[in-house]
Amino acid sequence: DQQVKQNSPSLSVQEGRISILNCDYTNSMFDYFLWYKKYPAEGPTFLISISSIKDKNEDGRFTVFLNKSAKHLSLHIVPSQPGDSAVYFCAASITGNQFYFGTGTSLTVIP
Amino acid sequence: DTGVSQNPRHKITKRGQNVTFRCDPISEHNRLYWYRQTLGQGPEFLTYFQNEAQLEKSRLLSDRFSAERPKGSFSTLEIQRTEQGDSAMYLCASSLTAGAYTGELFFGEGSRLTVL
Repeated sequence: DQQVKQNSPSLSVQEGRISILNCDYTNSMFDYFLWYKKYPAEGPTFLISISSIKDKNEDGRFTVFLNKSAKHLSLHIVPSQPGDSAVYFCAASITGNQFYFGTGTSLTVIP
Repeated sequence: DTGVSQNPRHKITKRGQNVTFRCDPISEHNRLYWYRQTLGQGPEFLTYFQNEAQLEKSRLLSDRFSAERPKGSFSTLEIQRTEQGDSAMYLCASSLTAGAYTGELFFGEGSRLTVL
């Protein structure tokens, strides 16, 4: 039962353009949503999070948008840089105990 | 380096053998999580500890799996009578309780298990 879904396994974007990664979830009880970035041979690294009481959170080049009615969140990276090339995981939690991860989207930023 | 440390990084074993993985969290972190990741999938929750107490276990954690965190410091994950389906990357993460609520888990590099 996949409660967090990332339907795009891969995405390619030109350097300097916007990268948009999407994520859908099914459980309306989730109260925190997160994005993690993972490079090969490393563990995932926390990137940005958003509470369910907000619809937007911004941190530098990274912005996460939450649409609760659609059970959808997205991560925008502007401008995209080659160093952003990695696998991005969307995750969700209920009260910060158990975290449910999506299957990941592999982002390639082309110089 | 004061990050999350996992050992061994790679373990190859024969079916039916027992294996044990160790995780050393960031020293002041009171929460410790174990996740499993297979190819093409995201991390799947196995269990987590608050200090030395194991608070939650996933149904993925069959009776062949056991995890401990004595004294609330390092943790071990043992898999008995390994099966080929146990082949995966086993990830450990730690956090402060407040950090856990916002999802700020700090992951180790993982321990890759290959069961022949």
